[in-house]
Amino acid sequence: KNEVEQSPQNLTAQEGEFITINCSYSVGISALHWLQQHPGGGIVSLFMLSSGKKKHGRLIATINIQEKHSSLHITASHPRDSAVYICAVSLDYNTDKLIFGTGTRLQVFP
Amino acid sequence: GAVVSQHPSWVICKSGTSVKIECRSLDFQATTMFWYRQFPKQSLMLMATSNEGSKATYEQGVEKDKFLINHASLTLSTLTVTSAHPEDSSFYICSARGPGPSNQPQHFGDGTRLSIL
Repeated sequence: KNEVEQSPQNLTAQEGEFITINCSYSVGISALHWLQQHPGGGIVSLFMLSSGKKKHGRLIATINIQEKHSSLHITASHPRDSAVYICAVSLDYNTDKLIFGTGTRLQVFP
Repeated sequence: GAVVSQHPSWVICKSGTSVKIECRSLDFQATTMFWYRQFPKQSLMLMATSNEGSKATYEQGVEKDKFLINHASLTLSTLTVTSAHPEDSSFYICSARGPGPSNQPQHFGDGTRLSIL
């Protein structure tokens, strides 16, 4: 069993739809990261959070430490949101080391 | 925001040659840099962590003589794949973080797609 699991693996949506990507982890963490990987491979850090909720534009990330679960929401999705979204956790005993989920491939159609 | 530049973005070379990949932080001092490898449809795997002026710390299973990492300055780290073979073909991506607490976001380069013929 992977230490960080994401669901779904693949997701397609129509433009404008509300999207949720889930991440569960089984290790002790100091923080959880949501990353966006574009088709060319480049990675952008979207959020780093250790509790509660963060919002940036149409993106919202939440984390429940007790349940070891995080969600990434995209409101009013757009084709330019199409990318792979990766959940990663910083370990509590080695905060530099990131453990990555396998990613969720999102395609938003116009 | 913090920018990390990785070069080259793609390289094709013959088996047996050595390939150097550069990772530069353009607008901050990268005290720690990370090198990852990603195979198709798989998640990123950490290869090594390097601190400026120190030897890199390699993850289990990563050959340090095969993947040479140099972090000689606060803005540049290099990964050299020595005597590359087709099985080394992969997507390599670096990230960097600045000074201060280790628990802060890493800033990623755009990656290097390496193909060994």
